[in-house]
Amino acid sequence: DTAVSQTPKYLVTQMGNDKSIKCEQNLGHDTMYWYKQDSKKFLKIMFSYNNKELIINETVPNRFSPKSPDKAHLNLHINSLELGDSAVYFCASSQDSGSYNEQFFGPGTRLTVL
Amino acid sequence: AQSVAQPEDQVNVAEGNPLTVKCTYSVSGNPYLFWYVQYPNRGLQFLLKYITGDNLVKGSYGFEAEFNKSQTSFHLKKPSALVSDSALYFCAVRDLRYGNKLVFGAGTILRVKS
Repeated sequence: DTAVSQTPKYLVTQMGNDKSIKCEQNLGHDTMYWYKQDSKKFLKIMFSYNNKELIINETVPNRFSPKSPDKAHLNLHINSLELGDSAVYFCASSQDSGSYNEQFFGPGTRLTVL
Repeated sequence: AQSVAQPEDQVNVAEGNPLTVKCTYSVSGNPYLFWYVQYPNRGLQFLLKYITGDNLVKGSYGFEAEFNKSQTSFHLKKPSALVSDSALYFCAVRDLRYGNKLVFGAGTILRVKS
């Protein structure tokens, strides 16, 4: 019973390509997130959706576009991939966007741009 | 801005000895603090949180953390370390001013040697 799942686990692609990462949670949570973890393991939030509504949009290039078809899914589409996009991308969810709630993380998607 | 600092890149401890992983915070208003652990090639797992109340917070896997308002610290502790505790540990704080996003520290690698 995977709580937060991501596909694919690994993604290797060429510069300039467009790719998507999918995330699904079966916890019944209202809020979902995308994080980027760089090669130094530094974690930074990219986006957050609450009930399909965008509530956090950090300073990321507009080549990154999140899409939430329903509150159990939050996908990340990346256009015109660049070398610097290589990282591990984590999806997470929480019960809601309240300050008390812990987040549950997916296993990550390791993106390598060649 | 809300932030946390983890002053040690790595902590080494012998199995059976007590361990401490340090975290200090800088917030305006009340702090909402979290500890997460990341095992190699895995997503983050929630360990414990401080919201209000008792300064000693107990969490998963025998970990606890002590909130100290005067020292603005939230150190993670365990009385007796296990080799299986070896992992990357992140302290995080909620930024209540902007979507309640989590702001992570840089992480501390814990190595427990037998």
